[in-house]
Amino acid sequence: KNEVEQSPQNLTAQEGEFITINCSYSVGISALHWLQQHPGGGIVSLFMLSSGKKKHGRLIATINIQEKHSSLHITASHPRDSAVYICAALTGTASKLTFGTGTRLQVTL
Amino acid sequence: DAGVIQSPRHEVTEMGQEVTLRCKPISGHNSLFWYRQTMMRGLELLIYFNNNVPIDDSGMPEDRFSAKMPNASFSTLKIQPSEPRDSAVYFCASGGDGGKLFFGSGTQLSVL
Repeated sequence: KNEVEQSPQNLTAQEGEFITINCSYSVGISALHWLQQHPGGGIVSLFMLSSGKKKHGRLIATINIQEKHSSLHITASHPRDSAVYICAALTGTASKLTFGTGTRLQVTL
Repeated sequence: DAGVIQSPRHEVTEMGQEVTLRCKPISGHNSLFWYRQTMMRGLELLIYFNNNVPIDDSGMPEDRFSAKMPNASFSTLKIQPSEPRDSAVYFCASGGDGGKLFFGSGTQLSVL
């Protein structure tokens, strides 16, 4: 069992739909990252959070430390949101990131 | 700032050759990470530097891999000798005190 698991692995949505990607982890963490990787391969850090909720534009990330669960929501999805979304748990004092396997999102017109 | 700069973007080499990947972190960032991404294993941490000192190299696959950070603005990841199973995308990332990471564009390595 991976220490960080994401669901779903693949997700297809129509433009405008509300999207939720889930991340569960089994390790103790100091923070959790959500990353976005576009088809070109570049990786962008969307959020780093250790409690509660963060919002940036149409993206919202939440985390429940007690339940060891985080979600990434995309409101009013758009084709340009098509990418792989990766959650990564920050563990220990060595700033080690343990990555989930990613969720491949495709938003169609 | 130009962000994290990696070179080369693509590297094709033959098995047994030495490969050197380079990274220039964002100025002022005190943490630098080397990651490897493959289809089979996803993203994996290879090594982490803090203030130019290697803190965690437990992810380095074997002795063929070595990494250095001679100063705050430059790091290298070297593979010698390279093998086909080393083919992957290698990312460098840097981070400041806030913890947010900034990734380079990656180096696509193909070992034939």
